[in-house]
Amino acid sequence: EVQLLESGGGLVQPGGSLRLSCAASGFTFSRYVMNWVRQAPGKGLEWVSSISGSGADTFYADSVKGRVTISRDNSKNTLYLQMNSLRAEDTAVYFCARDISGSAYQFEHWGQGTLVTVSS
Amino acid sequence: SYDLTQAPSVSVSPGQTASITCSGDKLGEKYASWYQQKPGQSPVLVIYQDTKRPSGIPERFSGSNSGNTATLTISGTQAMDEADYYCQTWDSSTYVVFGGGTKLTVL
Repeated sequence: EVQLLESGGGLVQPGGSLRLSCAASGFTFSRYVMNWVRQAPGKGLEWVSSISGSGADTFYADSVKGRVTISRDNSKNTLYLQMNSLRAEDTAVYFCARDISGSAYQFEHWGQGTLVTVSS
Repeated sequence: SYDLTQAPSVSVSPGQTASITCSGDKLGEKYASWYQQKPGQSPVLVIYQDTKRPSGIPERFSGSNSGNTATLTISGTQAMDEADYYCQTWDSSTYVVFGGGTKLTVL
């Protein structure tokens, strides 16, 4: 069974930093593109970032580019999102998500999410 | 940037057919996916590659995509189908894009 478990969320002041983690199990982690998607309170889904299976290729939404770094440790089956220079508008539940097998960027598996609150 | 447009809300009577649309420039030339999200829960993929259903998704969920519009159709809508629905696609320049979401109400 595929499982994704996010952690690392919390309350942070504007301008601060936070690192989110997503522990994966139940599949061969290195074979899959992994993704972060966020959802602000009461709002819709917003793609944040994706990373190739090897970690060599990374992609970011314009809203976070330059402030966020996605990475992965395939030896630990863990996905990361380093967030710097956080703003109030980054307040959201952050989900990690895995593609459905054989079809990139269509997210079959989701974690439960971790809440990031940016506030003074 | 690439935008996907959805109506904010759709209402349907139990047992009837619900259609939720998603519009984007030449969307029919890309793959569309649909997600269901109930309050307090993570999204669930209900349609991918325009028309395919993941394992475990009921047959009453179907999808189509042509021209500028993708459509999610729920036949014989049940009360349990009441949720927010999001379309999503992938574009080589803007990468992953979600629609704004449609709240389906089963009256």
